Amino acid sequence: AQKVTQAQTEISVVEKEDVTLDCVYETRDTTYYLFWYKQPPSGELVFLIRRNSFDEQNEISGRYSWNFQKSTSSFNFTITASQVVDSAVYFCALIMVPLGGATNKLIFGTGTLLAVQP
Amino acid sequence: SAVISQKPSRDICQRGTSLTIQCQVDSQVTMMFWYRQQPGQSLTLIATANQGSEATYESGFVIDKFPISRPNLTFSTLTVSNMSPEDSSIYLCSIPPGTGHTEAFFGQGTRLTVV
Repeated sequence: AQKVTQAQTEISVVEKEDVTLDCVYETRDTTYYLFWYKQPPSGELVFLIRRNSFDEQNEISGRYSWNFQKSTSSFNFTITASQVVDSAVYFCALIMVPLGGATNKLIFGTGTLLAVQP
Repeated sequence: SAVISQKPSRDICQRGTSLTIQCQVDSQVTMMFWYRQQPGQSLTLIATANQGSEATYESGFVIDKFPISRPNLTFSTLTVSNMSPEDSSIYLCSIPPGTGHTEAFFGQGTRLTVV
Protein backbone atom coordinates (compact mmCIF):
# COMPACT_ATOMS: atom_id res chain seq x y z
CA ALA A 1 0.00 0.00 0.00
CA GLN A 2 1.06 3.57 -0.58
CA LYS A 3 1.37 6.08 2.22
CA VAL A 4 2.67 9.59 2.79
CA THR A 5 3.76 10.72 6.24
CA GLN A 6 4.29 14.29 7.31
CA ALA A 7 5.32 13.93 10.93
CA GLN A 8 5.36 17.65 11.64
CA THR A 9 1.84 18.75 12.41
CA GLU A 10 2.69 22.39 13.08
CA ILE A 11 5.83 24.46 12.79
CA SER A 12 6.25 28.02 13.99
CA VAL A 13 9.20 30.15 12.94
CA VAL A 14 10.14 33.80 13.00
CA GLU A 15 10.43 35.65 9.74
CA LYS A 16 13.76 35.19 7.93
CA GLU A 17 14.42 31.83 9.54
CA ASP A 18 14.94 28.80 7.32
CA VAL A 19 12.48 25.95 7.77
CA THR A 20 12.35 22.38 6.45
CA LEU A 21 9.15 20.42 6.04
CA ASP A 22 9.59 16.67 6.09
CA CYS A 23 7.86 14.15 3.87
CA VAL A 24 8.37 10.38 3.96
CA TYR A 25 6.55 8.08 1.58
CA GLU A 26 5.97 4.36 1.20
CA THR A 27 5.40 2.51 -2.04
CA ARG A 28 6.42 -0.77 -3.60
CA ASP A 29 6.30 0.71 -7.06
CA THR A 30 9.46 1.94 -8.72
CA THR A 31 7.75 4.57 -10.85
CA TYR A 32 5.81 7.35 -9.24
CA TYR A 33 5.48 11.10 -8.90
CA LEU A 34 5.81 13.18 -5.76
CA PHE A 35 4.24 16.58 -5.26
CA TRP A 36 4.16 19.47 -2.86
CA TYR A 37 1.09 21.69 -2.61
CA LYS A 38 0.52 24.83 -0.57
CA GLN A 39 -2.88 25.63 0.93
CA PRO A 40 -3.14 29.21 2.17
CA PRO A 41 -5.96 30.24 4.53
CA SER A 42 -8.21 30.95 1.54
CA GLY A 43 -8.39 27.18 0.94
CA GLU A 44 -7.22 26.69 -2.63
CA LEU A 45 -4.41 24.27 -3.39
CA VAL A 46 -1.37 25.78 -5.05
CA PHE A 47 0.96 23.47 -6.95
CA LEU A 48 4.62 23.91 -5.97
CA ILE A 49 6.59 21.06 -7.50
CA ARG A 50 6.41 17.64 -9.12
CA ARG A 51 9.26 15.14 -8.98
CA ASN A 52 9.58 11.96 -11.03
CA SER A 53 10.91 8.96 -9.13
CA PHE A 54 13.73 8.59 -11.65
CA ASP A 55 14.93 12.12 -11.15
CA GLU A 56 16.74 12.53 -7.85
CA GLN A 57 18.22 15.85 -8.75
CA ASN A 58 17.46 18.43 -6.12
CA GLU A 59 15.67 21.55 -7.22
CA ILE A 60 15.79 25.18 -6.20
CA SER A 61 13.21 27.78 -7.10
CA GLY A 62 13.84 31.13 -5.49
CA ARG A 63 13.57 30.68 -1.73
CA TYR A 64 12.20 27.15 -2.15
CA SER A 65 14.28 24.01 -2.47
CA TRP A 66 13.48 20.32 -2.48
CA ASN A 67 15.64 17.38 -1.46
CA PHE A 68 14.58 14.04 -2.92
CA GLN A 69 16.32 10.98 -1.46
CA LYS A 70 15.08 7.66 -2.79
CA SER A 71 17.33 5.74 -0.39
CA THR A 72 15.38 7.11 2.57
CA SER A 73 12.05 7.58 0.72
CA SER A 74 12.03 11.24 1.61
CA PHE A 75 11.09 14.37 -0.28
CA ASN A 76 11.77 17.30 2.01
CA PHE A 77 10.94 20.93 1.33
CA THR A 78 13.01 23.85 2.60
CA ILE A 79 11.99 27.50 2.66
CA THR A 80 14.90 29.86 3.03
CA ALA A 81 14.45 33.24 4.71
CA SER A 82 10.79 32.57 5.45
CA GLN A 83 8.21 35.29 5.10
CA VAL A 84 4.80 35.84 6.65
CA VAL A 85 3.20 35.08 3.27
CA ASP A 86 4.63 31.56 3.52
CA SER A 87 2.17 30.84 6.34
CA ALA A 88 -0.03 28.02 5.07
CA VAL A 89 -0.63 24.29 5.24
CA TYR A 90 1.76 22.34 3.06
CA PHE A 91 0.86 18.93 1.67
CA CYS A 92 3.13 16.28 0.24
CA ALA A 93 1.46 13.82 -2.14
CA LEU A 94 2.24 10.67 -4.11
CA ILE A 95 0.78 9.15 -7.26
CA MET A 96 1.63 5.98 -9.12
CA VAL A 97 2.59 5.75 -12.77
CA PRO A 98 1.23 5.13 -15.35
CA LEU A 99 -1.09 8.08 -15.01
CA GLY A 100 -4.70 8.08 -16.02
CA GLY A 101 -5.57 4.64 -14.75
CA ALA A 102 -8.85 3.82 -13.09
CA THR A 103 -7.33 3.87 -9.63
CA ASN A 104 -4.91 6.67 -10.30
CA LYS A 105 -5.32 9.09 -7.43
CA LEU A 106 -3.17 11.37 -5.35
CA ILE A 107 -2.34 10.11 -1.89
CA PHE A 108 -1.91 13.05 0.45
CA GLY A 109 0.02 13.36 3.66
CA THR A 110 -1.72 14.90 6.65
CA GLY A 111 -0.15 18.28 6.01
CA THR A 112 2.13 20.60 7.99
CA LEU A 113 0.81 23.92 9.22
CA LEU A 114 3.56 26.51 8.92
CA ALA A 115 3.17 29.74 10.86
CA VAL A 116 5.69 32.44 10.14
CA GLN A 117 5.68 35.15 12.78
CA PRO A 118 6.75 38.71 11.92
CA SER B 1 -2.57 23.26 -18.00
CA ALA B 2 -6.23 23.25 -17.06
CA VAL B 3 -8.47 25.71 -15.29
CA ILE B 4 -11.27 24.54 -13.04
CA SER B 5 -14.01 26.90 -11.97
CA GLN B 6 -15.74 25.75 -8.82
CA LYS B 7 -18.75 27.32 -7.20
CA PRO B 8 -19.99 28.33 -4.79
CA SER B 9 -16.80 29.35 -3.05
CA ARG B 10 -18.50 29.22 0.33
CA ASP B 11 -21.93 28.71 1.81
CA ILE B 12 -23.67 28.51 5.14
CA CYS B 13 -26.51 26.00 5.13
CA GLN B 14 -29.18 24.80 7.52
CA ARG B 15 -29.02 21.23 8.71
CA GLY B 16 -31.25 18.88 6.76
CA THR B 17 -30.86 20.77 3.50
CA SER B 18 -28.74 19.92 0.47
CA LEU B 19 -26.09 21.84 -1.42
CA THR B 20 -24.88 21.22 -4.95
CA ILE B 21 -21.33 22.17 -5.85
CA GLN B 22 -20.38 22.66 -9.48
CA CYS B 23 -17.06 22.31 -11.28
CA GLN B 24 -16.45 23.44 -14.83
CA VAL B 25 -13.21 22.55 -16.61
CA ASP B 26 -11.85 24.46 -19.58
CA SER B 27 -10.92 21.24 -21.39
CA GLN B 28 -12.28 17.73 -21.77
CA VAL B 29 -11.10 15.30 -19.10
CA THR B 30 -11.92 11.67 -18.55
CA MET B 31 -11.82 11.57 -14.77
CA MET B 32 -12.67 14.08 -12.10
CA PHE B 33 -12.16 13.55 -8.41
CA TRP B 34 -14.09 14.99 -5.49
CA TYR B 35 -12.32 15.51 -2.16
CA ARG B 36 -13.46 16.49 1.31
CA GLN B 37 -11.20 18.30 3.73
CA GLN B 38 -12.58 18.44 7.24
CA PRO B 39 -11.29 21.23 9.51
CA GLY B 40 -7.61 20.78 10.25
CA GLN B 41 -7.43 17.55 8.27
CA SER B 42 -5.93 16.32 5.04
CA LEU B 43 -7.82 15.73 1.83
CA THR B 44 -9.96 12.60 1.66
CA LEU B 45 -11.16 11.28 -1.66
CA ILE B 46 -14.94 10.98 -1.82
CA ALA B 47 -15.38 9.57 -5.31
CA THR B 48 -14.18 9.42 -8.88
CA ALA B 49 -16.58 10.82 -11.47
CA ASN B 50 -16.40 9.32 -14.95
CA GLN B 51 -18.46 10.58 -17.84
CA GLY B 52 -21.07 8.07 -18.96
CA SER B 53 -20.95 5.86 -15.90
CA GLU B 54 -21.79 5.99 -12.23
CA ALA B 55 -19.29 7.51 -9.89
CA THR B 56 -16.99 5.23 -7.94
CA TYR B 57 -17.15 5.92 -4.21
CA GLU B 58 -14.41 5.40 -1.66
CA SER B 59 -14.98 3.46 1.50
CA GLY B 60 -17.12 5.42 3.92
CA PHE B 61 -18.91 7.48 1.27
CA VAL B 62 -22.24 6.56 -0.31
CA ILE B 63 -24.19 7.78 -3.29
CA ASP B 64 -27.28 8.68 -1.28
CA LYS B 65 -25.28 11.15 0.78
CA PHE B 66 -23.00 12.46 -1.97
CA PRO B 67 -24.71 12.04 -5.36
CA ILE B 68 -22.47 13.02 -8.25
CA SER B 69 -23.35 13.94 -11.80
CA ARG B 70 -21.02 13.94 -14.80
CA PRO B 71 -23.12 14.90 -17.80
CA ASN B 72 -20.16 15.62 -20.09
CA LEU B 73 -16.37 15.72 -20.18
CA THR B 74 -16.08 19.28 -18.85
CA PHE B 75 -18.58 19.42 -16.00
CA SER B 76 -19.43 17.67 -12.74
CA THR B 77 -21.52 18.32 -9.67
CA LEU B 78 -21.35 16.99 -6.14
CA THR B 79 -24.38 17.25 -3.87
CA VAL B 80 -24.07 17.09 -0.12
CA SER B 81 -27.46 15.78 0.99
CA ASN B 82 -29.36 16.04 4.26
CA MET B 83 -26.54 18.01 5.78
CA SER B 84 -25.45 17.94 9.39
CA PRO B 85 -22.78 20.03 11.15
CA GLU B 86 -20.34 17.15 10.62
CA ASP B 87 -20.46 17.91 6.89
CA SER B 88 -18.83 21.28 7.48
CA SER B 89 -15.70 21.02 5.36
CA ILE B 90 -13.93 22.29 2.30
CA TYR B 91 -14.94 20.35 -0.79
CA LEU B 92 -12.63 20.32 -3.80
CA CYS B 93 -12.91 18.96 -7.28
CA SER B 94 -9.78 17.87 -9.07
CA ILE B 95 -8.38 16.62 -12.33
CA PRO B 96 -5.76 13.95 -11.70
CA PRO B 97 -2.43 13.88 -13.51
CA GLY B 98 -2.85 12.24 -16.89
CA THR B 99 -2.07 12.46 -20.55
CA GLY B 100 -0.45 15.78 -21.36
CA HIS B 101 -0.08 16.99 -17.80
CA THR B 102 1.69 15.55 -14.78
CA GLU B 103 0.21 17.66 -12.03
CA ALA B 104 -3.22 17.54 -10.50
CA PHE B 105 -5.40 20.61 -10.93
CA PHE B 106 -7.86 21.69 -8.28
CA GLY B 107 -10.88 23.91 -8.13
CA GLN B 108 -10.83 26.82 -5.73
CA GLY B 109 -12.73 24.85 -3.13
CA THR B 110 -16.14 25.25 -1.51
CA ARG B 111 -16.06 26.11 2.17
CA LEU B 112 -19.27 24.70 3.62
CA THR B 113 -20.59 25.49 7.08
CA VAL B 114 -23.67 23.67 8.32
CA VAL B 115 -25.54 25.26 11.21
